[in-house]
Amino acid sequence: QTVVTQEPSFSVSPGGTVTLTCGLSSGSVSTSYYPSWYQQTPGQAPRTLIYNTNTRSSGVPDRFSGSILGNKAALTITGAQADDESDYYCVLYMGSGIWVFGGGTKLTVL
Amino acid sequence: QVQLVESGGGVVQPGRSLRLSCATSGFTFTSYVMHWVRQAPGKGLEWVAVIWYDGDNKYYADSVKGRFTISRDNSKNTLYLQMNSLRAEDTAVYYCARVPVANYFDYWGQGTLVTVSS
Repeated sequence: QTVVTQEPSFSVSPGGTVTLTCGLSSGSVSTSYYPSWYQQTPGQAPRTLIYNTNTRSSGVPDRFSGSILGNKAALTITGAQADDESDYYCVLYMGSGIWVFGGGTKLTVL
Repeated sequence: QVQLVESGGGVVQPGRSLRLSCATSGFTFTSYVMHWVRQAPGKGLEWVAVIWYDGDNKYYADSVKGRFTISRDNSKNTLYLQMNSLRAEDTAVYYCARVPVANYFDYWGQGTLVTVSS
């Protein structure tokens, strides 16, 4: 069973830059996995941030960007703000109709 | 505007069944692949199941395969999840979500809570 890996937690200072990653327990993430990223605050449904590796969803500020870094998908937040403090999830399409979410990263802005 | 509204959650005993519904509006239902995603209390998101446009293709996470059945009624613009042989570990908020051809979850419902407990 393939596991999608994310950092459990990360901390960033206001105005700082942070890069969250999304990897595979075996192998490399590529654009063929259609990596996408979601932001979730407690009690709320997820909000779509990035899809197809690096396309921002409608209304998402340009301080959020997506990429492939090495063998992982990455979400970079440039100029972090207090309301960016959330949980962030990536999901990969594994093919054959199967999708797998990462375990999520809890981002603290302080 | 696009709306996805889940219903059918509640408290159910282990081994019993429950059917969730996701009523949709504001878009052409038959143009989208539809998914169920769940989130156990305090845990991360877990993909559960997907159904293709006409309902012919369905896929499931290993954790629910053989117990859950996803279906859709395109005449009612509604997605369903039939959950049988429920276990305590199925306790979660269940979200429906739509996926366009770009292969990502673009709209989500607000979720419905399922609690499996004796």
